[in-house]
Amino acid sequence: NAGVTQTPKFRVLKTGQSMTLLCAQDMNHEYMYWYRQDPGMGLRLIHYSVGEGTTAKGEVPDGYNVSRLKKQNFLLGLESAAPSQTSVYFCASSYPSGQYFGPGTRLLVL
Amino acid sequence: KQEVTQIPAALSVPEGENLVLNCSFTDSAIYNLQWFRQDPGKGLTSLLLIQSSQREQTSGRLNASLDKSSGRSTLYIAASQPGDSATYLCAVRHALNAGGTSYGKLTFGQGTILTVHP
Repeated sequence: NAGVTQTPKFRVLKTGQSMTLLCAQDMNHEYMYWYRQDPGMGLRLIHYSVGEGTTAKGEVPDGYNVSRLKKQNFLLGLESAAPSQTSVYFCASSYPSGQYFGPGTRLLVL
Repeated sequence: KQEVTQIPAALSVPEGENLVLNCSFTDSAIYNLQWFRQDPGKGLTSLLLIQSSQREQTSGRLNASLDKSSGRSTLYIAASQPGDSATYLCAVRHALNAGGTSYGKLTFGQGTILTVHP
């Protein structure tokens, strides 16, 4: 099993550009999550999904959209990137027990 | 709103010491608690998971305890090694609430940065 994978690993964007981060898991987990991690702020939940076709807002959803068209994939979109979205983004998946994290995507918005 | 606090924020110890990392949470209605390790520039690796009905879990040199009523968990590391140097994160999962909006979400502490020097 590959576990949770994220694409890309690193990206540089200019303000106003758009991009999509892809998360994939092969553990047949129902729940998937997107977090951002910033120095001094810890991990904060952006959006999450409790099953295919469902999504919900987390703590810091503004400026992001998500989609869960297939159970194994959870996409995070930035329609118009802002410097405040410079961060490390982590995807995670879980069954009702523990949570498993991907390796992260480093995003720099200039 | 659940708040998770980790003490200390940073810890530096010589190799071989036994050490304790602390985690406290404000809402005792949790489903489980998970300890993670994060190396610089890397993702989170799960170390131990304690269900709300359990008191402790052990894995090798690691032992995690949970006292749900007092809102506390500790991670005990025995005979620390330089390879244990990392940030340790505590996270609590909200109690499953059918029909609610806190279904399975984790709330993280800020982490403890551990340095074990030879």
